[in-house]
Amino acid sequence: EDQVTQSPEALRLQEGESSSLNCSYTVSGLRGLFWYRQDPGKGPEFLFTLYSAGEEKEKERLKATLTKKESFLHITAPKPEDSATYLCAVRGNSGTYKYIFGTGTRLKVLA
Amino acid sequence: ETGVTQSPTHLIKTRGQQVTLRCSSQSGHNTVSWYQQALGQGPQFIFQYYREEENGRGNFPPRFSGLQFPNYSSELNVNALELDDSALYLCASSSGKRQGLKNAGELFFGEGSRLTVL
Repeated sequence: EDQVTQSPEALRLQEGESSSLNCSYTVSGLRGLFWYRQDPGKGPEFLFTLYSAGEEKEKERLKATLTKKESFLHITAPKPEDSATYLCAVRGNSGTYKYIFGTGTRLKVLA
Repeated sequence: ETGVTQSPTHLIKTRGQQVTLRCSSQSGHNTVSWYQQALGQGPQFIFQYYREEENGRGNFPPRFSGLQFPNYSSELNVNALELDDSALYLCASSSGKRQGLKNAGELFFGEGSRLTVL
């Protein structure tokens, strides 16, 4: 069964303190791994899509990487406005068109 | 280009009642998916509609049903509400053209409808 596990559940960083969030996955036939940012009470906001092991994507202070078993979201020199929940999702070949989401990492960046 | 819009944003119902949530998909997208997100959890797939037909369903009972209209907007209906149905209901649109391709496209979400069942 397709599964996504994110760690840590919560992370507190000082402004400027770089770190990485982990997304481990098992999926039958990866058709895409997706990162989203979600602010409290809001819908998820799309960040990145990765398709193949070794692929990397960057956007401002965020960089996403992918291996055959996990993905990392690296946050370089974070700012308080980066505080949010970061969700990872995968789409496989299950045939139901569903995207499997992890429970997210709640990031708090302190000024 | 307009994004995904959902209504209502918040609503309160009592057990046993019925609710209808509405979604307008992003311009150019013909596929709509619905997800349920309980507090502190990730979104869970309910079902997907493509060209007015349900073409995928998650582990939700039949009292969760939906519709898609010719303009690609969609409704989620939940009958006989239970306390555990309290959640954020998210609508996501995507391009149906990507479904047959090896690489799946990203989902674009609305702001959600927060349902509280008392």
